Amino acid sequence: GESVGLHLPTLSVQEGDNSIINCAYSNSASDYFIWYKQESGKGPQFIIDIRSNMDKRQGQRVTVLLNKTVKHLSLQIAATQPGDSAVYFCAGSQFYFGTGTSLTVIP
Amino acid sequence: EAGVTQFPSHSVIEKGQTVTLRCDPISGHDNLYWYRRVMGKEIKFLLHFVKESKQDESGMPNNRFLAERTGGTYSTLKVQPAELEDSGVYFCASSQGYTYLAKNIQYFGAGTRLSVL
Repeated sequence: GESVGLHLPTLSVQEGDNSIINCAYSNSASDYFIWYKQESGKGPQFIIDIRSNMDKRQGQRVTVLLNKTVKHLSLQIAATQPGDSAVYFCAGSQFYFGTGTSLTVIP
Repeated sequence: EAGVTQFPSHSVIEKGQTVTLRCDPISGHDNLYWYRRVMGKEIKFLLHFVKESKQDESGMPNNRFLAERTGGTYSTLKVQPAELEDSGVYFCASSQGYTYLAKNIQYFGAGTRLSVL
């Protein structure tokens, strides 16, 4: 079956630095991947998505990279801010989520 | 526009009791999903409704869980009888579509935290 997981359960970065959150998947049949951000007390919120035929997609301060060869994707956050502190999930098109990476931004 | 709303936000029950969770999706969203996150673990898919029909219920853990979506609007998830391992946060999400990426973005509610003692 499909699995989507994250490399690190926690990540701490200094405010202003760039953050990189990684995710691995096992099912190559996923048509797309989505990154979600979950703040404390809230449900996951959509950040950015990428189709499986793309390698890179940029949003506002965020970039997602997809490496289909090694079945890996990453979320890069530029100039990390305290408001970026949250749990980040990657999900495939079959409604599978990873365990999440908890990002803490140190002021 | 109202987002996905879930009720209650927190429920504490004893083992063996029954609990019913409710989800109101975004108006006009035919697709409704239930997920569960047990402490520290991944968000696990439970089931997916398209309107009032169950499109996929492969994630439902056992027959103690019953989900309904009468009329294709709000949905309920009943746990009867509740067991200790049912504790966790239950999320509901809705989307316009589920096959085309642009319409498949799921909007989540804040979740219901269920504590079974």
